[in-house]
Amino acid sequence: NAGVTQTPKFRILKIGQSMTLQCTQDMNHNYMYWYRQDPGMGLKLIYYSVGAGITDKGEVPNGYNVSRSTTEDFPLRLELAAPSQTSVYFCATRTSRGQETQYFGPGTRLLVL
Amino acid sequence: TQLLEQSPQFLSIQEGENLTVYCNSSSVFSSLQWYRQEPGEGPVLLVTVVTGGEVKKLKRLTFQFGDARKDSSLHITAAQPGDTGLYLCAGEDSGGSNYKLTFGKGTLLTVNP
Repeated sequence: NAGVTQTPKFRILKIGQSMTLQCTQDMNHNYMYWYRQDPGMGLKLIYYSVGAGITDKGEVPNGYNVSRSTTEDFPLRLELAAPSQTSVYFCATRTSRGQETQYFGPGTRLLVL
Repeated sequence: TQLLEQSPQFLSIQEGENLTVYCNSSSVFSSLQWYRQEPGEGPVLLVTVVTGGEVKKLKRLTFQFGDARKDSSLHITAAQPGDTGLYLCAGEDSGGSNYKLTFGKGTLLTVNP
Protein backbone atom coordinates (compact mmCIF):
# COMPACT_ATOMS: atom_id res chain seq x y z
CA ASN A 1 0.00 0.00 0.00
CA ALA A 2 1.96 3.00 -1.30
CA GLY A 3 -0.65 5.66 -0.45
CA VAL A 4 -0.12 8.76 -2.61
CA THR A 5 2.82 8.82 -5.01
CA GLN A 6 4.04 11.81 -7.02
CA THR A 7 6.49 12.00 -9.87
CA PRO A 8 8.91 13.54 -10.56
CA LYS A 9 10.44 14.56 -7.23
CA PHE A 10 12.25 17.52 -8.77
CA ARG A 11 12.24 19.21 -12.16
CA ILE A 12 13.80 22.25 -13.76
CA LEU A 13 11.84 23.81 -16.63
CA LYS A 14 12.63 26.63 -18.99
CA ILE A 15 10.10 29.43 -19.43
CA GLY A 16 7.45 28.37 -21.96
CA GLN A 17 8.02 24.64 -21.62
CA SER A 18 5.22 22.30 -20.60
CA MET A 19 5.10 19.34 -18.27
CA THR A 20 2.76 17.03 -16.41
CA LEU A 21 3.02 16.33 -12.71
CA GLN A 22 1.79 12.84 -11.95
CA CYS A 23 -0.24 11.80 -8.90
CA THR A 24 -1.40 8.26 -8.22
CA GLN A 25 -3.21 6.84 -5.21
CA ASP A 26 -4.05 3.27 -4.23
CA MET A 27 -6.53 4.01 -1.43
CA ASN A 28 -9.61 4.13 -3.69
CA HIS A 29 -10.41 7.67 -2.51
CA ASN A 30 -12.88 9.67 -4.55
CA TYR A 31 -11.56 13.11 -3.62
CA MET A 32 -8.21 14.35 -4.92
CA TYR A 33 -6.56 17.76 -4.67
CA TRP A 34 -3.60 19.67 -6.05
CA TYR A 35 -1.90 22.31 -3.91
CA ARG A 36 1.10 24.54 -4.34
CA GLN A 37 3.24 25.63 -1.42
CA ASP A 38 5.37 28.75 -1.64
CA PRO A 39 7.76 29.76 1.16
CA GLY A 40 5.87 31.40 4.02
CA MET A 41 2.54 31.10 2.19
CA GLY A 42 1.00 27.85 3.38
CA LEU A 43 -0.77 25.65 0.83
CA LYS A 44 -3.06 27.02 -1.85
CA LEU A 45 -5.58 24.86 -3.70
CA ILE A 46 -5.10 24.72 -7.49
CA TYR A 47 -7.70 22.16 -8.63
CA TYR A 48 -9.67 19.38 -7.08
CA SER A 49 -11.78 16.39 -8.14
CA VAL A 50 -14.65 14.64 -6.39
CA GLY A 51 -14.52 11.60 -8.64
CA ALA A 52 -13.49 10.29 -12.04
CA GLY A 53 -14.60 12.69 -14.77
CA ILE A 54 -15.33 15.56 -12.35
CA THR A 55 -12.90 18.40 -11.71
CA ASP A 56 -13.21 21.97 -10.47
CA LYS A 57 -11.04 25.03 -9.91
CA GLY A 58 -9.55 25.94 -6.60
CA GLU A 59 -8.11 29.23 -5.42
CA VAL A 60 -5.19 29.55 -7.90
CA PRO A 61 -6.05 27.62 -11.13
CA ASN A 62 -4.57 29.99 -13.74
CA GLY A 63 -1.79 28.41 -15.80
CA TYR A 64 -2.78 24.84 -14.88
CA ASN A 65 -5.07 22.11 -16.18
CA VAL A 66 -6.18 18.78 -14.77
CA SER A 67 -8.00 15.66 -15.84
CA ARG A 68 -9.40 12.70 -13.92
CA SER A 69 -10.07 9.70 -16.14
CA THR A 70 -9.62 7.11 -13.38
CA THR A 71 -10.05 7.02 -9.61
CA GLU A 72 -6.32 6.41 -9.15
CA ASP A 73 -4.74 9.17 -11.26
CA PHE A 74 -5.00 12.95 -11.13
CA PRO A 75 -2.33 14.57 -13.32
CA LEU A 76 -1.61 18.32 -13.23
CA ARG A 77 -0.58 19.95 -16.50
CA LEU A 78 1.48 23.13 -16.92
CA GLU A 79 1.19 24.30 -20.53
CA LEU A 80 3.46 27.37 -20.64
CA ALA A 81 5.72 27.39 -17.61
CA ALA A 82 6.38 30.77 -15.98
CA PRO A 83 8.78 31.73 -13.16
CA SER A 84 5.72 32.40 -10.94
CA GLN A 85 5.00 28.66 -11.07
CA THR A 86 8.21 27.86 -9.23
CA SER A 87 6.90 26.09 -6.17
CA VAL A 88 6.45 22.78 -4.39
CA TYR A 89 3.36 20.91 -5.58
CA PHE A 90 1.46 18.49 -3.38
CA CYS A 91 -1.26 16.05 -4.34
CA ALA A 92 -3.70 14.91 -1.65
CA THR A 93 -6.60 12.49 -1.39
CA ARG A 94 -9.41 11.83 1.07
CA THR A 95 -12.51 9.71 1.46
CA SER A 96 -16.01 11.08 0.99
CA ARG A 97 -16.79 10.92 4.73
CA GLY A 98 -16.86 14.09 6.81
CA GLN A 99 -14.08 15.21 9.18
CA GLU A 100 -11.54 12.90 7.58
CA THR A 101 -7.91 13.70 6.93
CA GLN A 102 -6.37 14.51 3.61
CA TYR A 103 -3.44 12.24 2.77
CA PHE A 104 -0.59 14.06 1.09
CA GLY A 105 2.02 12.83 -1.34
CA PRO A 106 5.72 13.66 -0.89
CA GLY A 107 5.58 16.61 -3.29
CA THR A 108 7.19 17.70 -6.56
CA ARG A 109 9.63 20.58 -6.45
CA LEU A 110 9.49 22.64 -9.63
CA LEU A 111 11.93 25.35 -10.65
CA VAL A 112 11.13 27.48 -13.71
CA LEU A 113 14.05 29.46 -15.10
CA THR B 1 -12.74 33.72 0.48
CA GLN B 2 -12.08 32.20 3.89
CA LEU B 3 -8.81 33.20 5.53
CA LEU B 4 -6.90 31.65 8.40
CA GLU B 5 -4.39 33.79 10.25
CA GLN B 6 -1.74 31.75 12.00
CA SER B 7 0.69 33.15 14.58
CA PRO B 8 3.50 33.32 15.26
CA GLN B 9 5.06 32.63 11.86
CA PHE B 10 8.40 31.62 13.42
CA LEU B 11 9.18 30.29 16.88
CA SER B 12 12.57 29.27 18.24
CA ILE B 13 12.67 27.92 21.78
CA GLN B 14 14.80 25.81 24.09
CA GLU B 15 14.05 22.21 24.94
CA GLY B 16 11.66 21.98 27.88
CA GLU B 17 9.82 25.25 27.23
CA ASN B 18 6.09 25.50 26.58
CA LEU B 19 4.56 27.20 23.55
CA THR B 20 1.23 28.06 21.98
CA VAL B 21 0.37 28.52 18.31
CA TYR B 22 -2.80 30.35 17.31
CA CYS B 23 -5.07 30.00 14.31
CA ASN B 24 -7.78 32.65 13.83
CA SER B 25 -10.46 33.38 11.26
CA SER B 26 -13.57 35.48 10.77
CA SER B 27 -15.23 32.46 9.13
CA VAL B 28 -16.92 29.47 10.68
CA PHE B 29 -15.51 26.07 9.79
CA SER B 30 -17.16 22.65 10.01
CA SER B 31 -13.90 21.29 11.39
CA LEU B 32 -10.36 22.42 11.91
CA GLN B 33 -7.33 20.25 11.31
CA TRP B 34 -3.75 20.59 12.48
CA TYR B 35 -0.94 19.17 10.37
CA ARG B 36 2.78 18.86 10.90
CA GLN B 37 5.18 18.97 7.98
CA GLU B 38 8.81 17.86 7.94
CA PRO B 39 11.26 19.26 5.35
CA GLY B 40 10.88 17.54 1.97
CA GLU B 41 7.65 15.79 2.92
CA GLY B 42 3.92 16.38 2.71
CA PRO B 43 1.83 17.49 5.72
CA VAL B 44 0.66 14.77 8.10
CA LEU B 45 -2.51 15.11 10.17
CA LEU B 46 -2.10 15.55 13.93
CA VAL B 47 -5.72 16.07 14.96
CA THR B 48 -9.18 17.14 13.79
CA VAL B 49 -11.43 19.21 16.06
CA VAL B 50 -15.11 19.42 15.22
CA THR B 51 -17.19 20.71 18.12
CA GLY B 52 -17.03 24.28 19.44
CA GLY B 53 -15.08 24.32 22.71
CA GLU B 54 -13.57 20.90 22.04
CA VAL B 55 -10.20 20.08 23.59
CA LYS B 56 -8.08 17.17 22.36
CA LYS B 57 -4.79 15.94 23.77
CA LEU B 58 -2.09 14.04 21.93
CA LYS B 59 0.68 13.27 24.44
CA ARG B 60 2.30 16.69 25.11
CA LEU B 61 0.16 18.49 22.51
CA THR B 62 -3.18 20.07 23.44
CA PHE B 63 -5.56 21.32 20.74
CA GLN B 64 -8.53 23.56 21.37
CA PHE B 65 -11.36 24.64 19.05
CA GLY B 66 -13.01 27.96 19.84
CA ASP B 67 -16.64 28.04 20.98
CA ALA B 68 -17.69 29.77 17.74
CA ARG B 69 -15.63 27.36 15.58
CA LYS B 70 -13.62 30.23 14.12
CA ASP B 71 -10.32 29.81 15.93
CA SER B 72 -8.05 27.17 17.38
CA SER B 73 -4.85 26.82 19.36
CA LEU B 74 -2.09 24.27 19.70
CA HIS B 75 -0.20 24.13 22.99
CA ILE B 76 2.97 22.07 23.38
CA THR B 77 4.23 21.28 26.86
CA ALA B 78 7.92 20.66 27.51
CA ALA B 79 8.93 20.91 23.86
CA GLN B 80 11.53 18.49 22.53
CA PRO B 81 13.84 18.74 19.49
CA GLY B 82 11.69 16.11 17.80
CA ASP B 83 8.79 18.62 17.80
CA THR B 84 10.70 20.77 15.30
CA GLY B 85 8.73 21.27 12.10
CA LEU B 86 6.14 23.36 10.27
CA TYR B 87 2.73 23.34 11.96
CA LEU B 88 -0.23 24.11 9.73
CA CYS B 89 -3.84 24.70 10.66
CA ALA B 90 -6.53 24.06 8.05
CA GLY B 91 -10.23 24.80 8.15
CA GLU B 92 -12.72 22.63 6.30
CA ASP B 93 -15.56 24.39 4.46
CA SER B 94 -18.78 24.42 6.45
CA GLY B 95 -20.87 24.35 3.29
CA GLY B 96 -20.88 22.01 0.33
CA SER B 97 -19.52 18.50 0.07
CA ASN B 98 -16.18 19.06 -1.68
CA TYR B 99 -14.30 19.10 1.66
CA LYS B 100 -11.94 21.84 0.58
CA LEU B 101 -9.36 22.95 3.12
CA THR B 102 -8.15 26.50 3.70
CA PHE B 103 -4.66 26.51 5.14
CA GLY B 104 -2.95 29.02 7.36
CA LYS B 105 0.57 30.13 6.41
CA GLY B 106 2.10 27.90 9.06
CA THR B 107 4.30 28.24 12.14
CA LEU B 108 7.89 27.11 11.75
CA LEU B 109 8.94 25.74 15.13
CA THR B 110 12.56 25.09 16.06
CA VAL B 111 13.30 23.43 19.39
CA ASN B 112 16.95 23.73 20.33
CA PRO B 113 18.56 21.08 22.55
